Amino acid sequence: DAGITQSPRHKVTETGTPVTLRCHQTENHRYMYWYRQDPGHGLRLIHYSYGVKDTDKGEVSDGYSVSRSKTEDFLLTLESATSSQTSVYFCAIRSGTGASYEQYFGPGTRLTVT
Amino acid sequence: GEDVEQSLFLSVREGDSSVINCTYTDSSSTYLYWYKQEPGAGLQLLTYIFSNMDMKQDQRLTVLLNKKDKHLSLRIADTQTGDSAIYFCAGSNAGNMLTFGGGTRLMVKP
Repeated sequence: DAGITQSPRHKVTETGTPVTLRCHQTENHRYMYWYRQDPGHGLRLIHYSYGVKDTDKGEVSDGYSVSRSKTEDFLLTLESATSSQTSVYFCAIRSGTGASYEQYFGPGTRLTVT
Repeated sequence: GEDVEQSLFLSVREGDSSVINCTYTDSSSTYLYWYKQEPGAGLQLLTYIFSNMDMKQDQRLTVLLNKKDKHLSLRIADTQTGDSAIYFCAGSNAGNMLTFGGGTRLMVKP
């Protein structure tokens, strides 16, 4: 499982409240990713990080921010949650060297915004 | 950006072969991946193929890549009920950003 944990695993929150999801890895991987999964859309990249304090936007970054102050932790924040952000959120790390890289995923966080 | 398309649903009988298909638009995709997702779980990497290969076999799994048609398939031999899941294909670009298809739900009937 590449040593990836996500917390919380489930959360219900109200529209307009801030929410922070945490991804923790134990294997010192440089690259970390946040995706959201919605029916019919597969997984879409929200933000990613390529090192401590180094982050960049993905395909669906509006309404989300991230932070990475330590190698092992990558935080995803919804500043003011909306119902359209109800989704399952997955964290991933990149493993591999040289010519091939693989992404390995955490167990997911199911977020419901009411 | 890249588009990756998959059929939504496939139903097979236990013991038969399953073939899950995927088409992609970006001919510069360097690697193409297959992931499996069981209910309530994260994505499990099954296998991947480098873009200069035509075929890769790994136990019951065979990946075929037709670069000319931008078509990728995953064949599962002797499909078992434990293979019931959603299967995602994904393509990577030079920056190793993955673009996922919408997933194919495989149902295996006893």
